[in-house]
Amino acid sequence: EVQLVESGGSVVRPGGSLRLSCAASGFTFDDYGMSWVRQAPGKGLEWVSGINWSGGSTGYADSVKGRFAVSRDNTKNSLFLQMNSLRAEDTALYFCARGEVACSPTNCYYGYLDLWGRGTRVTVSS
Amino acid sequence: EFVLTQSPGTLSLSPGERATLSCRASQSLSNRDFAWYQQKPGQAPRLLIYGASSRATGIPDRISGSGSGTDFTLTISRLEPEDFIVYYCQHYGSQGLTFGGGTKVEI
Repeated sequence: EVQLVESGGSVVRPGGSLRLSCAASGFTFDDYGMSWVRQAPGKGLEWVSGINWSGGSTGYADSVKGRFAVSRDNTKNSLFLQMNSLRAEDTALYFCARGEVACSPTNCYYGYLDLWGRGTRVTVSS
Repeated sequence: EFVLTQSPGTLSLSPGERATLSCRASQSLSNRDFAWYQQKPGQAPRLLIYGASSRATGIPDRISGSGSGTDFTLTISRLEPEDFIVYYCQHYGSQGLTFGGGTKVEI
């Protein structure tokens, strides 16, 4: 079955760190770029980060730049999001999603997302 | 800052009726890198439309997308009970992914 399964969400204090994981199955993982998208409680969708097929190129929303880092391990069909210096406004359901990420030396093009996981919940609270 | 504004915020209709959801971009888009998603409560979003008007795999033909420039539309020709959920528009490209605020279609 083609699917994405996120894990690693938890309750963490402001200023803390957390690492999210996303396990892919049913498709050739290193054929695709990947993204993280989050949804705060009762709110809409916000793109967080994207990474190309090799992991050599990444991009971030301004709201997380410098605090979050996306990576992938194609040998384990896994995507990761390292989240540092967490804030209350980072509280959300975090989805990983599959989509084209095509990069030149200067920038990346992020395509639509055709496969999503069910999400993992992150709560930042003291 | 590039913004997508969806309207209306809530659309109240009955099964069998036609739904027209709008999404306006703050800047004119030179291409049709535009998508629509639906999201059921507690579930992940599902891709409906990409390229402004191409249906994703498994999406019925009663769901269609149109538009260009700053104005994009998602049309559901005959609402089924499972259509009464939330819809998001999205622009994709070299600036990352931008989502609209969503439209809830309710009975």
